Amino acid sequence: GAVVSQHPSRVICKSGTSVKIECRSLDFQATTMFWYRQFPKQSLMLMATSNEGSKATYEQGVEKDKFLINHASLTLSTLTVTSAHPEDSSFYICSARGGGARTEAFFGQGTRLTVV
Amino acid sequence: DQQVKQNSPSLSVQEGRISILNCDYTNSMFDYFLWYKKYPAEGPTFLISISSIKDKNEDGRFTVFLNKSAKHLSLHIVPSQPGDSAVYFCAASGGSQGNLIFGKGTKLSVKP
Repeated sequence: GAVVSQHPSRVICKSGTSVKIECRSLDFQATTMFWYRQFPKQSLMLMATSNEGSKATYEQGVEKDKFLINHASLTLSTLTVTSAHPEDSSFYICSARGGGARTEAFFGQGTRLTVV
Repeated sequence: DQQVKQNSPSLSVQEGRISILNCDYTNSMFDYFLWYKKYPAEGPTFLISISSIKDKNEDGRFTVFLNKSAKHLSLHIVPSQPGDSAVYFCAASGGSQGNLIFGKGTKLSVKP
């Protein structure tokens, strides 16, 4: 399958600081990228969907000013967690899709964020 | 309100037998369905998908069945192998945005 690279795989930051997570599609152009958050023993919760060159669409309950998403190119999307708090600690996963709504999406390796 | 439901949080199967993982959905706009396999602390890996114009799709040991009238799909793994032990997520997509919505997952354990 296609390769999606997510970086960093693990990050620890202090409360109040910001953290940027990168998601790159390595061998295809990602027209759509998704950002998910996974709580322990729970499903993948869709946070936002972004299409290249346009603003991200956030799911209900997700603060767009706190979770900044940028999809500036067809191979790169970033998620910035601003003014991080301990409750933001979680596993964040990106996925990328090169085709339309009826094609598979490929996932990055995930980022374990710990806010201390 | 969950749009994609996997009602069995876990399933245990003997090696060599069939594993059947179930998934129900509520949104009639969904027209593309996917199964992913996930290990702890890793991103999900795509397994198999099915479009709503089909009722069955097969790839090696994996077969996905879709019953549109019941809004139900299932993943069959046969024969099951210990390496299949993982969490399996059902996902659905559809509509203009094509958001990929996941179920809560079923943890499959295949015992030797």
